[in-house]
Amino acid sequence: AQRVTQPEKLLSVFKGAPVELKCNYSYSGSPELFWYVQYSRQRLQLLLRHISRESIKGFTADLNKGETSFHLKKPFAQEEDSAMYYCALLYNNNDMRFGAGTRLTVKP
Amino acid sequence: DVKVTQSSRYLVKRTGEKVFLECVQDMDHENMFWYRQDPGLGLRLIYFSYDVKMKEKGDIPEGYSVSREKKERFSLILESASTNQTSMYLCASSLWGDPNTEAFFGQGTRLTVV
Repeated sequence: AQRVTQPEKLLSVFKGAPVELKCNYSYSGSPELFWYVQYSRQRLQLLLRHISRESIKGFTADLNKGETSFHLKKPFAQEEDSAMYYCALLYNNNDMRFGAGTRLTVKP
Repeated sequence: DVKVTQSSRYLVKRTGEKVFLECVQDMDHENMFWYRQDPGLGLRLIYFSYDVKMKEKGDIPEGYSVSREKKERFSLILESASTNQTSMYLCASSLWGDPNTEAFFGQGTRLTVV
């Protein structure tokens, strides 16, 4: 079975502190992983994808195949980062499954 | 710049009613998805479709069916609505066969079954 686990439902940090949102996956093939974000009253949207190795809004995520993880990190959290974050696994190039999500709150 | 449109933002239906949720995308995407979003459970895939008239069951298809008669439209049907189907429903679309694909989401339909 292909599964995505986000162990933290809620995460709260102070502005300027580092933040790490955890994501673990189980998949026997070669994974394509993504992070999606949903800000208050907005649509769910793509934040970043592992294949691009990009940094978006200061966030990065590294695929660790040995630990089957794709944790999202940012060295200095900002208040505008407060949102719901979903890790997603694409398998067979078409089927996309999401984790349970983590609500990040960045306090002033 | 709306790309995926769901027909209703809010719906209130009675138990036992047949409910249709409509989704239209204008990006010529082959893949379309229906998820339900519940607190603590995240997005759970109900059905997805990779082509017209094609459909695949997701993790929670029970109580739901879908219809894809045209490429741009994907409908979710609740044959006999029940209170445990009260939820936020999200439609999404993506390109077929592209590992770099991005899924585009609609604004969501909040369904309440009373």
